[in-house]
Amino acid sequence: SQQGEEDPQALSIQEGENATMNCSYKTSINNLQWYRQNSGRGLVHLILIRSNEREKHSGRLRVTLDTSKKSSSLLITASRAADTASYFCATAQTGANNLFFGTGTRLTVIP
Amino acid sequence: DGGITQSPKYLFRKEGQNVTLSCEQNLNHDAMYWYRQDPGQGLRLIYYSQIVNDFQKGDIAEGYSVSREKKESFPLTVTSAQKNPTAFYLCASSPDGSRGVRNEQYFGPGTRLTVT
Repeated sequence: SQQGEEDPQALSIQEGENATMNCSYKTSINNLQWYRQNSGRGLVHLILIRSNEREKHSGRLRVTLDTSKKSSSLLITASRAADTASYFCATAQTGANNLFFGTGTRLTVIP
Repeated sequence: DGGITQSPKYLFRKEGQNVTLSCEQNLNHDAMYWYRQDPGQGLRLIYYSQIVNDFQKGDIAEGYSVSREKKESFPLTVTSAQKNPTAFYLCASSPDGSRGVRNEQYFGPGTRLTVT
C-alpha cells in the first residue's frame, strides 16, 4: 500500500497534557502534511513540512520529519478538549499527482 | 464566502439505483478529488481531475464515474455496479495544476451515503 500509517491508532489524554502521534511512509516524498478531522466532518489542513525541512511549528503544533527513517511526528502541546479529533498524515510522493493519506490517529482529550 | 461545498449531507438510496453526489468550489482551483472513507479508516482516492474535461482513476474507481465539464464542479456518480457503496464521501480541491508538487487540499463537509 502507498498509504502512510499512523501510530497509535487511538490516544486518550488529559487536558493540558501533550499528545504525540507518528506517521511512517514507504517512498520518497516532496512534502508531508497533517490534517485534522472532527467526527463526521471534512478534513482541515494543519501543517505542511517539506522534505528538506526537519522541524516546523504552528501555534501549539510541532511537526518533525526524518526522511532517513521515513517518519514524521505531530506534537500537540497543552492539549484542549477541542483538540479531540482524528489526525491524518498525507504524503506528496515524488512523481505522484495526488496525496496519499494514512489511516489516522483518533485523539481524545478528556476535560 | 469562498469554499468547497457538497450536497446533500445525507443521502439514502435503494440498492440498484445510481446516485450523483455534488461537489462545487469557488476557490478557482484547478484540481479536484473524490475520496471514500469507511468507518475508522483512512481516505481512499476514487477519482481526481487536474483540469477541465480531464480526469484520472484513483485506487478504487470501479463502480464510480465522474465528469469535469466546469472548473467549479466535479460530480461523482455512484453506480449500481459499486458493490458496497455505503460510505462517507469527501470531495477536495487544490490549486495544483497538472504538474508539480502536490500541496494542501481543501475539503468539503462530506456526504454520507446509505444504500439499503
